[in-house]
Amino acid sequence: SQTIHQWPATLVQPVGSPLSLECTVEGTSNPNLYWYRQAAGRGLQLLFYSVGIGQISSEVPQNLSASRPQDRQFILSSKKLLLSDSSFYLCAWSAGQGASYEQYFGPGTRLTVT
Amino acid sequence: AQTVTQSQPEMSVQEAETVTLSCTYDTSESDYYLFWYKQPPSRQMILVIRQEAYKQQNATENRFSVNFQKAAKSFSLKISDSQLGDAAMYFCAYRDPNTDKLIFGTGTRLQVFP
Repeated sequence: SQTIHQWPATLVQPVGSPLSLECTVEGTSNPNLYWYRQAAGRGLQLLFYSVGIGQISSEVPQNLSASRPQDRQFILSSKKLLLSDSSFYLCAWSAGQGASYEQYFGPGTRLTVT
Repeated sequence: AQTVTQSQPEMSVQEAETVTLSCTYDTSESDYYLFWYKQPPSRQMILVIRQEAYKQQNATENRFSVNFQKAAKSFSLKISDSQLGDAAMYFCAYRDPNTDKLIFGTGTRLQVFP
């Protein structure tokens, strides 16, 4: 069965520091991968999605970036964090050519920028 | 642009009773998927149920069922025999068939009272 991992679960970082959040998927190949952000009590905002290694599409221009160095690995990065980057970050995957295209989510990372 | 609207920010239900959460969406497509996700306090997004637009039969998953009205672009979720564990945020989502992206509503917070 497929599983999706995210780490760390919780992170507290000072303003101006770098960021690296990692997401990996097991049990499937060539998945579509997604990074979302969710402010407290709000809906999900799509940040990046990827349909293959090295293929990244950005939805929201900002100081965040994403990379996909391996088929089942998706990384969210920042060179310098802002206070406004404090949020809950979710990674998700879907079958590249699946029957119903639903997205499955990881447990999320709670990021606090101080 | 496609939009998803959840007009009920909060709902409450007595344990063992039935509750219906509303969702409407806007699209010019004829073939697409719709989903309901549950987000408990842990904040992990859990897929509850999916509906394929070309299927007239309403989807059912145990105590969860949908009322899909394609012409009205309505996709409500019915939870029967509500349990305390059903308390969560519920998000309706539309999958754009052209981009493979999920468009989420703003969510409905469901409280379940014993």
